[in-house]
Amino acid sequence: DAMVIQNPRYQVTQFGKPVTLSCSQTLNHNVMYWYQQKSSQAPKLLFHYYDKDFNNEADTPDNFQSRRPNTSFCFLDIRSPGLGDAAMYLCATSRGRLPGTEQYFGPGTRLTVT
Amino acid sequence: AQSVTQPDIHITVSEGASLELRCNYSYGATPYLFWYVQSPGQGLQLLLKYFSGDTLVQGIKGFEAEFKRSQSSFNLRKPSVHWSDAAEYFCAVAQNAGNNRKLIWGLGTSLAVNP
Repeated sequence: DAMVIQNPRYQVTQFGKPVTLSCSQTLNHNVMYWYQQKSSQAPKLLFHYYDKDFNNEADTPDNFQSRRPNTSFCFLDIRSPGLGDAAMYLCATSRGRLPGTEQYFGPGTRLTVT
Repeated sequence: AQSVTQPDIHITVSEGASLELRCNYSYGATPYLFWYVQSPGQGLQLLLKYFSGDTLVQGIKGFEAEFKRSQSSFNLRKPSVHWSDAAEYFCAVAQNAGNNRKLIWGLGTSLAVNP
């Protein structure tokens, strides 16, 4: 089945130690998104790629970076994680960015910062 | 600015009872509206969406939603709830502004189902 895969499902990192989260998709969608979701909150969009075009949200901290080496893969890099970065990180994809386009979500990576 | 309000933070229903989750939106033009469900520890899954046309929209898992422009609402309903419906439900509206076509999310409603 076509899907969005996130690895690892659970990640523990130390305060200030860089960490990379991975997302891959078999849907061949041209748009990939990264969301941060804290407990009992709505997902917060960090950035998205439209093909190779990177689109950062205005309030996304510089500590968060992303790479998309090809259509299938997208990475979220947190350069110096703080305790406040502990959250669920969701990757999503869509075919295009028209307003009604459905986003397909992966299962998420739960990040713990110690 | 666009916004989505889900007035109920938490709802508990008995299995087999009917369900209605409320969603109100603020948007100047015709909205693109969505309901997503998130099971514990999982990503989000689309239940249904509304763009235009018939104001009663059918979705997966027996859910439906009705768009009421006069009330700026898009409430989610299910006639008979199953224990597996316990989850977090998010209403969202699609922003249509330039290249930033992001979703504006409500804060979610947590649904508990009593046996």
